[in-house]
Amino acid sequence: QVLLQESGPGLIKPSETLSLSCTVSSGSISGYYWSWIRQPPGKDLEWIGNIYYSGDTKFNPSLKSRVTLSVDTSKNQFSLNLSAVTSADTAVYYCARIIWGLYMDVWGKGTTVTVSS
Amino acid sequence: EIVLTQSPDTLSLSPGERATMSCRASENVRISYLAWYQQKPGQAPRLLIYGASSRATGIPDRFSGSGSGTDFTLTISRLEPEDFAVYYCQQYGSSPLTFGPGTKVDI
Repeated sequence: QVLLQESGPGLIKPSETLSLSCTVSSGSISGYYWSWIRQPPGKDLEWIGNIYYSGDTKFNPSLKSRVTLSVDTSKNQFSLNLSAVTSADTAVYYCARIIWGLYMDVWGKGTTVTVSS
Repeated sequence: EIVLTQSPDTLSLSPGERATMSCRASENVRISYLAWYQQKPGQAPRLLIYGASSRATGIPDRFSGSGSGTDFTLTISRLEPEDFAVYYCQQYGSSPLTFGPGTKVDI
């Protein structure tokens, strides 16, 4: 059973860049699409973007200008960078495996990120 | 983008009862590209249904999905205590991928 684990700072300041990583264990990152999703407190789930193991990406247009996704197959990891954060970026961030870039069949437990000075 | 609306907001039911919830899309979801997820407090969502009606691996057959076009339904035939949670629909027929606001099933 593939396991995903998010890691990164829990608190960052406004205007900084949020950086999160997701480590894939008990399975290979190769051959699959991977995704980031977030859930602000009391709000809906929001898809951020997908990355294929080869590096191809697709983004939510609402965040595209601020998002960078990368993958490191040697470490079985993929990462999210979100620039110029504001309090609206405070959320639980999930990484997930996304089947053919469509629906998420395995999720990480999520990591809470708070944007505050 | 396709906007998903779920109803009702909350279903108050008892174990053993049938739960039926709706997900309505603002436009046709092509090829019934719709999934359902279950989320319990403090946990990540879990995939239940994809392709509108296909159960994910390990999902009990008391969970069933149906629908096409703009109207989709998730049914739990007989509620077990562990089924009390929030249920989200997600469309993947067009980009961006979008989620509904959820239906909470509580006692």
